[in-house]
Amino acid sequence: QSVLTQPPSVSAAPGQKVTISCSGSSSNIGNNYVSWYQQLPGTAPKLLIYENNKRPPGIPDRFSGSKSGTSATLGITGLQTGDEADYYCGTWDNSLSAPFVFGPGTKVTVL
Amino acid sequence: QMQLQESGPGLVKPSETLSLTCAVSGFSISSGCYWGWLRQSPGKGLEWIGSIGHTGSTYYNPSLKSRVTISVDTSKDQFSLKLRSVTASDTAVYYCARHPYYGSRAEWDYWGQGTLVTVSS
Repeated sequence: QSVLTQPPSVSAAPGQKVTISCSGSSSNIGNNYVSWYQQLPGTAPKLLIYENNKRPPGIPDRFSGSKSGTSATLGITGLQTGDEADYYCGTWDNSLSAPFVFGPGTKVTVL
Repeated sequence: QMQLQESGPGLVKPSETLSLTCAVSGFSISSGCYWGWLRQSPGKGLEWIGSIGHTGSTYYNPSLKSRVTISVDTSKDQFSLKLRSVTASDTAVYYCARHPYYGSRAEWDYWGQGTLVTVSS
């Protein structure tokens, strides 16, 4: 049972936009940075967004991140078939539980 | 380009010790950052196991702390995981990864490809 909440799945047609929400609390998202990871089938997670809205080198600007209060959002515009993957949010948690926490993941399907 | 590569047995018997090593190339561990282990199983998603700093300071998931040891060998640019007294619930894909910071700014920027470890007799 994750302390972060994500929708199990989202879908859209090629070229469209999807958004993935990540909801937490003041002990995690509310007071810490959020990162997002893309996991293509059979591969390791890959960092997409860090510090809420920054992209590592090589990540296209079709991917964007934002944070407001205790929630964060990943946006993907110009959806491509290669974007079909699981997406995870991650953040630091200040409570007594494990400091690194991840959401349960959201499956993006390109229709 | 930095790369991380896990190695170790893919099958471990119940009650025994799971041992994995992560070899880092393209970056010197002694230069800094933190190095961690995570695992992923269908029932639990991504779970942080623990991390070690380049100076040897260690941080463990409280739920696993009694069974976990992470160590680093800076001369070989490797770090290792030992998980004792394993059960079937420890069956998962294990990843090694780097996080530049430990704290509020933490993110995992480089990952190994992952290795499946099955606990079974």
